Amino acid sequence: DAKTTQPTSMDCAEGRAANLPCNHSTISGNEYVYWYRQIHSQGPQYIIHGLKNNETNEMASLIITEDRKSSTLILPHATLRDTAVYYCIVRVAGDYKLSFGAGTTVTVRA
Amino acid sequence: DTAVSQTPKYLVTQMGNDKSIKCEQNLGHDTMYWYKQDSKKFLKIMFSYNNKELIINETVPNRFSPKSPDKAHLNLHINSLELGDSAVYFCASAGGGGNQPQHFGDGTRLSIL
Repeated sequence: DAKTTQPTSMDCAEGRAANLPCNHSTISGNEYVYWYRQIHSQGPQYIIHGLKNNETNEMASLIITEDRKSSTLILPHATLRDTAVYYCIVRVAGDYKLSFGAGTTVTVRA
Repeated sequence: DTAVSQTPKYLVTQMGNDKSIKCEQNLGHDTMYWYKQDSKKFLKIMFSYNNKELIINETVPNRFSPKSPDKAHLNLHINSLELGDSAVYFCASAGGGGNQPQHFGDGTRLSIL
């Protein structure tokens, strides 16, 4: 019952911006877009979330299209430590559950 | 001072045994979770407790029994372990109801021989 579609994998160069796309064409008005990542042998790590507006924090920026049917996570200056599986998740406001899909395996290369 | 800590980190045991995994969070969160990540790397929620009350039970076999002695702890007991139980089990916690981000532990790697 995946609500999001992400590319299986992508490479990016160290020091460059990494742009990770996510499609969520059936998103509802009360659903947020969350991004998590999982570095090898660690637990998932929260990155950022948003509803309608673009968001930025110390880790990344989240750009949500006006129709909210897709979003892009931007890692402004990718480092080797950003190599991980990145999960885009749609979550209803007030829902305790996070439903993880397959995510995008991002490999940052020197 | 790890925010969400799980013990043990590794657990190797034989089929048919009973084992427990412990989880503690020092973030003051009201909600705690158990997730299972299988060999195909899919993360699936198993249970969630809010203020020590069960709020999510995702059709997990009743050999799995979570116990929450207080808001800071959520333990997972597994009876009669089977080969298919081999996985990584992650504990997580979140504050402020269902909108707050979840914080995960580093997992317990369970291997059934």
